[in-house]
Amino acid sequence: ETGVTQSPTHLIKTRGQQVTLRCSSQSGHNTVSWYQQALGQGPQFIFQYYREEENGRGNFPPRFSGLQFPNYSSELNVNALELDDSALYLCASSLLDRPNYGYTFGSGTRLTVV
Amino acid sequence: RKEVEQDPGPFNVPEGATVAFNCTYSNSASQSFFWYRQDCRKEPKLLMSVYSSGNEDGRFTAQLNRASQYISLLIRDSKLSDSATYLCVVPRNSGNTPLVFGKGTRLSVIA
Repeated sequence: ETGVTQSPTHLIKTRGQQVTLRCSSQSGHNTVSWYQQALGQGPQFIFQYYREEENGRGNFPPRFSGLQFPNYSSELNVNALELDDSALYLCASSLLDRPNYGYTFGSGTRLTVV
Repeated sequence: RKEVEQDPGPFNVPEGATVAFNCTYSNSASQSFFWYRQDCRKEPKLLMSVYSSGNEDGRFTAQLNRASQYISLLIRDSKLSDSATYLCVVPRNSGNTPLVFGKGTRLSVIA
């Protein structure tokens, strides 16, 4: 059983640029959630995808967008990067109808905006 | 009340000590609760699930008090390897998704 994989592991971008982060969900999981974790903070919910549709969104502006593909993998896109977007971006996969199992996280993408 | 609130610590305890963390939550309809462990610069990993009055796994005990809306995590006989940040996690909606994370409680176990 493969776990959650994210790419790239590290990324440096300039303010104003756009970035795409990728996530492959754990085998058998149908739901992908994205979180942003700033230094010293807990992960903050960005959005969740189920069956290729957004299934909930946190308090993030529209320049944060996402996709889920038929194989349940997902992308997070951030436009017009700001310095405050520097953070660890975590992807988590789960089964929507098995909430008691919790989430399995990938190792994250560390984004630095300069 | 915040969605999920934890004492940030840090908790500095000697090896062998017993330490407890508390977490309060605001959504009275939440059914499942979780404790995650996060090592420095790593991803969170599921430590325990709690969906009844409590759960025990070796040295770790999680308890749930629905009336007061808090969850606790007790670690007995602390090991150096227990040093990490412990995240309290509560679902936002009654459908148990998405999960809302607390800011975490940092534990340092000292030799």
